[in-house]
Amino acid sequence: DAMVIQNPRYQVTQFGKPVTLSCSQTLNHNVMYWYQQKSSQAPKLLFHYYDKDFNNEADTPDNFQSRRPNTSFCFLDIRSPGLGDAAMYLCATSRRGGSTSDTQYFGPGTRLTVL
Amino acid sequence: AQSVAQPEDQVNVAEGNPLTVKCTYSVSGNPYLFWYVQYPNRGLQFLLKYITGDNLVKGSYGFEAEFNKSQTSFHLKKPSALVSDSALYFCAVREATGANNLFFGTGTRLTVIP
Repeated sequence: DAMVIQNPRYQVTQFGKPVTLSCSQTLNHNVMYWYQQKSSQAPKLLFHYYDKDFNNEADTPDNFQSRRPNTSFCFLDIRSPGLGDAAMYLCATSRRGGSTSDTQYFGPGTRLTVL
Repeated sequence: AQSVAQPEDQVNVAEGNPLTVKCTYSVSGNPYLFWYVQYPNRGLQFLLKYITGDNLVKGSYGFEAEFNKSQTSFHLKKPSALVSDSALYFCAVREATGANNLFFGTGTRLTVIP
């Protein structure tokens, strides 16, 4: 089945220690998104890639970076995690972006704990 | 500017009874509306969406939602609730024109009581 896969499902890191979260998709979608979701709150969009074009949300901290080496993979890098970065990180994909009616399909998420 | 309101943080319903989870939205133009469900420690699962046409949209697991343009609402409904429907439900909106992101409501926790 086509799907969005996130690894690892649970990640523990230390304060200030860089961490990378991984997302892959078999849907062959053009757009990949990274959301941060804290404790039963609404997901908050950090950034997205439309093909190779990177689109950062204005309020996403510089501490968060992303890479998309190919269509299938997208990575979220947190350069110096703080305690406030502990959250569920959700990856999503859609065939097109922008103003289209395309559905975003989400992965299972990675729960990040910062000690 | 786009926004979504889910006025109820928590909805409790008895198993077998009909359920409604409310959502209202605000956009400048025409909306695309979505409902997602989230089970504990899981990602969001797509339930249904409204693009255009028939105001009553049917989705997964017996859920449906009714688009009401005059009331700017898109309430999620199910005729007979199951215990397994207990989860967190998110409404989301995207404006149909312009390069706009998907905006989520704050979520409604549904508990179905056996």
